[in-house]
This record gives sequence, structure tokens and C-alpha cells, in this order.
Amino acid sequence: EPEVTQTPSHQVTQMGQEVILRCVPISNHLYFYWYRQILGQKVEFLVSFYNNEISEKSEIFDDQFSVERPDGSNFTLKIRSTKLEDSAMYFCASSEAWGPYEQYFGPGTRLTVT
Amino acid sequence: SQELEQSPQSLIVQEGKNLTINCTSSKTLYGLYWYKQKYGEGLIFLMMLQKGGEEKSHEKITAKLDEKKQQSSLHITASQPSHAGIYLCGADKWGLTGGGNKLTFGTGTQLKVEL
Repeated sequence: EPEVTQTPSHQVTQMGQEVILRCVPISNHLYFYWYRQILGQKVEFLVSFYNNEISEKSEIFDDQFSVERPDGSNFTLKIRSTKLEDSAMYFCASSEAWGPYEQYFGPGTRLTVT
Repeated sequence: SQELEQSPQSLIVQEGKNLTINCTSSKTLYGLYWYKQKYGEGLIFLMMLQKGGEEKSHEKITAKLDEKKQQSSLHITASQPSHAGIYLCGADKWGLTGGGNKLTFGTGTQLKVEL
């Protein structure tokens, strides 16, 4: 069964450093997302991406964040200068099309900023 | 913005018992998604409901959408230890002006199943 994969599973970084979280969405899916979950809190939407453009972003997704689809299979989230409050589980998701379609989530990357 | 409240926050049931989890929205519900999450892991898609009155079942899990009450319920019949985890409801924005795939998630319900 196709699934969304994410690497690394756990990333520890120092405050101010840049991190890149990687995702491989399901191969025939066209829409990609990043969500995050701070420990003990709700899952929050960060950004949606289609056709090499951001479709929608939340107020969390400020200039420190960027997304990219560098090739035909990977989808990345970059945080330029990490802050302590960026520590969270980051989930990548993908869906088949634009519309009310199921979003399939990856296992997540736990980011710890020290 | 839309807020989703889930009840109960946590639930402990004995194996074999039935249970219901509710998800109530502060605004009209259009697409409603149920996911299961094990602690520290990813979200597993369970079901999606799109129409008022819609009901879907998968194995021993049934979900319903009550549009008028702005509520969805998830019912598990004859619970098993494998049902343990955190259940999350999520709502999309289809039906609102502009639409959108962004999911807003509820607070989560932690389920434990005791032998």
C-alpha cells in the first residue's frame, strides 16, 4: 500500500540553525501539505502546495519557513533560523487532488531545538 | 476561525465494550475526517464524511455526520486493545467561500482499552 514517508524521524538542532525536513508523498498525489503538532497540542496546518506553488499558508508559516519540490518525488520544509518554539512533530501529507479528498499523513519528524 | 471540540478528552473502556467519541464544530461542518494517532506517531486516515446524515463504517468503527448539530460521532463496537490510541477529527473548508484543503483538527480523544 502506498504511503507517505518522512526523513529524518528525529532531528536535533541548535537554535539559529537551518533545518530541512524531507517528505516523499504518495506517487500519484498532486497536493502536498505540512502540519505540525507541538507536544500536547492540536495538529496545526502550516502550508499546502500544488503545481510548484503555495496554495495556502497559515499565520505560523512566516518568512522563516519555505517549501520546495526539488524533484519529482521529494517535498521539503525548510526552517531558516530555528527557534526553541519550533520544537514540534512535523507531518507531511498528500492528497490525490484539490477538493474533499483524503489526506494521507507521514509518520512525522520530531524536531527538537536546543 | 473554526474550532473543533472533542469529547470526552480521554476514555478508558474494558475490552468488548462499545464507546462513542463526539466532535462538535463551532461552525457548519462540510467535510469531516477522522484519524487515529498512536502516541508520537503519524495520523492514520479512518474515514471521511461529506454530507449531512452520512454514515460510514469500517470494520468495527462507524462514523456519522449530523450537519444540523454541527457534530460528528465515532462509534466503536466491541472494543479491542488494537483500538487504543488518540482519535482526531478534522474539518476542511469545502462549502465555504474559497474552499480549501486545509484541515482544522480537534483536541483529540485518548482511548485506552483494558483487558
